[in-house]
Amino acid sequence: DAGITQSPRHKVTETGTPVTLRCHQTENHRYMYWYRQDPGHGLRLIHYSYGVKDTDKGEVSDGYSVSRSKTEDFLLTLESATSSQTSVYFCAISEELAGGPRQETQYFGPGTRLLVL
Amino acid sequence: KQEVTQIPAALSVPEGENLVLNCSFTDSAIYNLQWFRQDPGKGLTSLLLIQSSQREQTSGRLNASLDKSSGRSTLYIAASQPGDSATYLCAVTGDTGTASKLTFGTGTRLQVTL
Repeated sequence: DAGITQSPRHKVTETGTPVTLRCHQTENHRYMYWYRQDPGHGLRLIHYSYGVKDTDKGEVSDGYSVSRSKTEDFLLTLESATSSQTSVYFCAISEELAGGPRQETQYFGPGTRLLVL
Repeated sequence: KQEVTQIPAALSVPEGENLVLNCSFTDSAIYNLQWFRQDPGKGLTSLLLIQSSQREQTSGRLNASLDKSSGRSTLYIAASQPGDSATYLCAVTGDTGTASKLTFGTGTRLQVTL
């Protein structure tokens, strides 16, 4: 299994509070991704990173920000949590080979279950 | 916008039966297609990846096919076992310009009964 950990694994918070989720990898992969998984929607991309300090928005980025100051860590922040952000959050990584990241699979972390009351 | 559909949403089969899971996508401009397995409360495990230039991939009892022009893929599971019970997700890889972008289907929940 790829070395990906997510913390915390479970969190309950109140509406309006800031929340930061952490993804840590030991694989030294260049690309990192944050997804959310909701019933009826599948997994949707929130933000991704293609290098240290290089990030970009995904499909559902409103209300989220990210930071990547080291190769191994990718942080997802909910500036002011809302009930609509109750979800399961997954981090994923992929490596860059000769064909680029599009040629290789993404490896997923165990997920963080977030409940916003 | 790419959309991925998986049919059926749920499937129950007796042990030993061969089965097929279906995945369709609307935009044929993909780099590859992947099949994942997800156990309850767990992350995703990659099962098979088919490059856009390939027609199929095999791993053990699993065989995945890809018809890019028609926007379809199938995952064939031979001689199903109770341990195969899980949700199977299909995802296609597109291009954001700076990284790959996976678009997922909502999955097929498989139960293999004794």
